[in-house]
Amino acid sequence: EVQLVESGGGLVQPGGSLRLSCSASGFTFSSYAMHWVRQAPGKGLEYVSAISSNGGSTYYADSVKGRFTISRDNSKNTLYLQMSSLRAEDTAVYNCVKSVSSGWGYFDYWGQGTLVTVSS
Amino acid sequence: DIQMTQSPSSVSASVGDRVTITCRASQGISNYLAWFQQKPGKAPKSLIFAASSLQSGVPSKFSGSGSGTDFTLTISSLQPEDFATYYCQQYNSFPFTFGPGTKVDIK
Repeated sequence: EVQLVESGGGLVQPGGSLRLSCSASGFTFSSYAMHWVRQAPGKGLEYVSAISSNGGSTYYADSVKGRFTISRDNSKNTLYLQMSSLRAEDTAVYNCVKSVSSGWGYFDYWGQGTLVTVSS
Repeated sequence: DIQMTQSPSSVSASVGDRVTITCRASQGISNYLAWFQQKPGKAPKSLIFAASSLQSGVPSKFSGSGSGTDFTLTISSLQPEDFATYYCQQYNSFPFTFGPGTKVDIK
């Protein structure tokens, strides 16, 4: 059974940093691209970032470019999102999402998400 | 960026009704279109990919169609578990943008 479990969320002050993790199991993690999608409270889904299966290619939404860094450790079956210079508008539930292939393509499984609150 | 729109933004329906949701892309995306269902407090669930292909385990009461810029999601014979918010998403090009969602609630 595919499982994606996010952690690392919490309350952080504006300008602060946080690192999210997504622990994957039930599939060969190193064979699939992964993504982060966020959802602000009461709002819709916003695409954040993507990383290829070997970590060699990444993508960032303009809203987070230069502030967030996506990475992965295939030996630990873990996806990361390093967030810095956080703003109030980054407050959201962050979900890690699995691609169906090593390339980009569509999603199949979502984690339950971890809440990041940026507030003083 | 490709902009995605959905209509209606919300729909009230009864158990047993047939519901159709429309999604439009600001430019052609071939059939690189997915649909997701989200219930309150839960993560989205993948329903459909490639505009019309059902994800594994998704019941056949869900169907999708379209290509290019115009797409539809149809739910035949609504059941209580189908009341949720539905999102479309294009994965033709980055960023993989989502529509604003359509809330299906009980009439």
